[in-house]
Amino acid sequence: AQSVTQLDSQVPVFEEAPVELRCNYSSSVSVYLFWYVQYPNQGLQLLLKYLSGSTLVESINGFEAEFNKSQTSFHLRKPSVHISDTAEYFCAVHSGGGADGLTFGKGTHLIIQP
Amino acid sequence: DAGVIQSPRHEVTEMGQEVTLRCKPISGHNSLFWYRQTMMRGLELLIYFNNNVPIDDSGMPEDRFSAKMPNASFSTLKIQPSEPRDSAVYFCASSRGANEQYFGPGTRLTVT
Repeated sequence: AQSVTQLDSQVPVFEEAPVELRCNYSSSVSVYLFWYVQYPNQGLQLLLKYLSGSTLVESINGFEAEFNKSQTSFHLRKPSVHISDTAEYFCAVHSGGGADGLTFGKGTHLIIQP
Repeated sequence: DAGVIQSPRHEVTEMGQEVTLRCKPISGHNSLFWYRQTMMRGLELLIYFNNNVPIDDSGMPEDRFSAKMPNASFSTLKIQPSEPRDSAVYFCASSRGANEQYFGPGTRLTVT
């Protein structure tokens, strides 16, 4: 069985400040890792993913996440946030190899303060 | 591509009524997933299909819930009879094999 822990349910940050959203997972097999973003009243959108290769992955809007196998983490970071980044962020894990469903964390609500 | 299409976007019904949610996956995707999102439980996988065949329905809460995928371009999630605790946002997602999943906009279900 696999699980995902997002320790922070809510993270308030001032605009233009850096932010880190934490994600830890547990799995007995190799995994694929994802971050999804959900804006108010919308569906989930893929932000970035780690499948293999470089442990540092980036999104087109300035977010990055680093896969750390020894710490079983996949924290999401952005050096400078904007008001438009206000959303719910979900970390998800998928056991590599099969077309199985994702296991999601509870989500972290990122609140950007002006 | 139009992305994953779900209908209706909002559904309000009375307890005891039958509810049918619909999903059209992205063309060419061979896996389809139904999720439920609530404040209390977060995002939960209900069931998923691979090549139109149900693979794992262990997340379906009880016998009142059923899902079908008669062909590669259509799936339904049915609740009969509905109860107030079924109120949630239901998402459909699709993928090509083990790649990332693409989510629909969701159906917000309210059972009174």
